[in-house]
Amino acid sequence: QTVVTQEPSLTVSPGGTVTLTCASSTGAVTSAYFANWFQQKPGQAPRALIYSTSNKHSWTPARFSGSLLGGKAALTLSGVQPEDEAEYYCLLYHGSNYGGPWVFGGGTTLTVL
Amino acid sequence: EVQLVESGGALVQPGGSLRLSCAASGFTFSDYWMHWVRQAPGKGLVWVSRINTDGSFANYVHSVEGRFTISRDNAKNTVYLQMNSLRVEDTAVYYCGRNLVRGSSVWFDPWGQGTLVTVSS
Repeated sequence: QTVVTQEPSLTVSPGGTVTLTCASSTGAVTSAYFANWFQQKPGQAPRALIYSTSNKHSWTPARFSGSLLGGKAALTLSGVQPEDEAEYYCLLYHGSNYGGPWVFGGGTTLTVL
Repeated sequence: EVQLVESGGALVQPGGSLRLSCAASGFTFSDYWMHWVRQAPGKGLVWVSRINTDGSFANYVHSVEGRFTISRDNAKNTVYLQMNSLRVEDTAVYYCGRNLVRGSSVWFDPWGQGTLVTVSS
């Protein structure tokens, strides 16, 4: 069964920079995994931030960016704001994977402190 | 305004069945793949199923294969998730989401507000 791994929790100071990563048990994440990133706040539905590794939606704040880093998908927040405190999930495409083509990471709880 | 509204969640006994619906509005429904994901209380998101634009192809996560069936009615702008042989571990908020696949661009937006399925005796 494919496992997608994210840091369980990270803490960042307001105005700081933090990078969240997303790794696949199948090997190095490439553009073919079409990494998507979502933000979720308590009691709310997920909100899309990044698609296909590094593309921003029209509503995505400029301080969010996506990339590939050391064989993983990465989400970097530069100039973190208090409202960025949330759960962040990556979603990777695994093609004809036994467990299903799309797999979420376990999520990263980002604390702004 | 693009909108997805789920319904059909309820309390059901183990072994029971339920059909979730997701009504779409504000966009050309038949142009998009549709997905269901779920989130157990206090847990992370789990991808559950997807269906292509004309309903001729679908995938499932292994844990629901053979028990859940996704379908869509493009005339009614609605996607469904038929859930049979429900287990306690299927308890979750179920979200539907719109998915566009266009060349190398693959994105998901929006997700509905979710509907709660509780499987308990």
